[in-house]
Amino acid sequence: GQNIDQPTEMTATEGAIVQINCTYQTSGFNGLFWYQQHAGEAPTFLSYNVLDGLEEKGRFSSFLSRSKGYSYLLLKELQMKDSASYLCAVRVADSWGKLQFGAGTQVVVTP
Amino acid sequence: DAGVIQSPRHEVTEMGQEVTLRCKPISGHDYLFWYRQTMMRGLELLIYFNNNVPIDDSGMPEDRFSAKMPNASFSTLKIQPSEPRDSAVYFCASNNRASNQPQHFGDGTRLSIL
Repeated sequence: GQNIDQPTEMTATEGAIVQINCTYQTSGFNGLFWYQQHAGEAPTFLSYNVLDGLEEKGRFSSFLSRSKGYSYLLLKELQMKDSASYLCAVRVADSWGKLQFGAGTQVVVTP
Repeated sequence: DAGVIQSPRHEVTEMGQEVTLRCKPISGHDYLFWYRQTMMRGLELLIYFNNNVPIDDSGMPEDRFSAKMPNASFSTLKIQPSEPRDSAVYFCASNNRASNQPQHFGDGTRLSIL
């Protein structure tokens, strides 16, 4: 079966750094996506990794290790507007279009 | 560019009624996905289409749920008859064939079955 694990909630202070981990066990692997979802809104795309290593996009970076079934999303210089749920999603290799989503990590940024 | 458009944004109806949710994908996208999101179960894929053809409907909870995509610019998700446990936010998403392209989500339909 498919299994994607993320912490339920993380709290951090404005200006700090937070790292959200995601571990996965899936039948094949063809890329990992991170999405941000504010309360009452749709998920929006943040990053994509298919090869091992770090992808940097401004304040947000995402890392992937395929051999370990592990990814993290790093949020730097936290702002209040970063308070949201962050969803890890894996595209399984045997079904091109399909994404398997984790339950999401609620990040709370405090002043 | 217009994003994925869903309607209605909110629907409140009594159990037993038929519910139809609508989705217009982004022009040029050949994949369309229907998801359901609840606090208990998170974001679940119900069904997805490629070039208007259903590819995987293994996530459709039961026969009360059906989805169609009569053309490249329109899809419906129908629940008949509806039950209170169907209350959730239903999202439609689309993307194109390129492997690194993310799915783009619509704003969702918040469905409440009384």
